Order: sequence, then structure tokens, then C-alpha cells
Amino acid sequence: NAGVTQTPKFRVLKTGQSMTLLCAQDMNHEYMYWYRQDPGMGLRLIHYSVGEGTTAKGEVPDGYNVSRLKKQNFLLGLESAAPSQTSVYFCASSYLGRVIYEQYFGPGTRLTVT
Amino acid sequence: AQSVTQLGSHVSVSEGALVLLRCNYSSSVPPYLFWYVQYPNQGLQLLLKYTTGATLVKGINGFEAEFKKSETSFHLTKPSAHMSDAAEYFCAVSPRTSNSGGSNYKLTFGKGTLLTVNP
Repeated sequence: NAGVTQTPKFRVLKTGQSMTLLCAQDMNHEYMYWYRQDPGMGLRLIHYSVGEGTTAKGEVPDGYNVSRLKKQNFLLGLESAAPSQTSVYFCASSYLGRVIYEQYFGPGTRLTVT
Repeated sequence: AQSVTQLGSHVSVSEGALVLLRCNYSSSVPPYLFWYVQYPNQGLQLLLKYTTGATLVKGINGFEAEFKKSETSFHLTKPSAHMSDAAEYFCAVSPRTSNSGGSNYKLTFGKGTLLTVNP
């Protein structure tokens, strides 16, 4: 049981390049989330999904797109990377059921945009 | 809208000393409350959570937290710090009700407190 995994772990992009971050979970969780973490800012929600085929905007969605074609995967895309998107990105998932929505986190992807 | 305030972005203690990390929330209805820990270059790991019942909650690694409704607080404590406790700690909340159709699965995080333990 791997939990939540993220690919890649590190990436360096040039301004204007695109990339996709992959998140996978093997816990059969309904809900999945993408956060970014910046020094002194805590974690901020980018996008989230409440089930396969559904996505919604979080607190800081601009410049990002997401897709949830399969229940176990949640992809985060950057169409045209900007230096302001230099950050550590975390994926998380949680189960649908009782109202105690504990989230399980992946190890993170460190992205640098030059 | 909910908010979470962690007092002190950096707390430094000596090994063996008491650890106290402060968290206050702003919500008309007491939310679900969580503390997460992040070790260097790792993801977040749940330390403990309060949902209902006993207001003193025990978590992993000897940490505990007490929910105080009158003070809208959920401070994290550990009687005796260990070098391995050095990490960043995040308080988080999620709403207890879902009047708007199911937003109680979203967490709002504080900005984090970096704990340093000195030998």
C-alpha cells in the first residue's frame, strides 16, 4: 500500500514551458487535492476533485489546470510556467464517508521556474 | 469563512523542555481540528485530530492538544522535547457543517510553526 505518490519529485522549467504533475493514490479515496506550499504562506489549495470526472477551483487556481479521468489519479498541469509558480506542490486525498475528512499527503514535487 | 492563526512562525526549545505551539481558529461553529507535522523534505503527516468527545486529544510521538471552545484554541503540547521533534507544524480546520452542499472536506491551514530543538 503506497498511499499517495507524486511524480516527478523535482523539476526545473524555463518560463513558458509546460508540464504535468501526476498524483496517484491506492486507497480508493473519492476526494483529491492539489496544494502549493510557499515559505511563510502555509498550504494553499489550487484545485480539488470530489470524484472521477469532476474538478473544482480552490484558493489559487490561476495558471493551473487539472484533470481526474481515473479515480486513482489527479493531474496538475501548467500550460505556460511562470517564475511565480516556483513552489513545492503537494497532492492529498481523503475518503468519502463519515464527516471526519482527514487528508493523506504525498511527498511533494519541488518545481523551479527560471 | 474560516481562518486559522498560528502564533509564532518559529519556536525554539531545549531538548527536554516543554513544547507549546499555539493555534486559534475563527469560525461561528467549532470546526474539526487537526495538527499536521512536516519533517524536512517530506509531505505532511497527521499528528492528531479533534472531532467530538473528550477535548484533550492524544496523538503520535507523545503530542497532545486540547480543544478550548471558549478560547477558540487548539494548542499543541509535548512535555519533553526530543531532537527528532524538529519539524514544521501546521494547524488545520474543516467546517463541521456542510450547509453549502459539502464543503466540509476542505481543510484550511495555518501558516505553520517551525520548531527547533536545541541540544
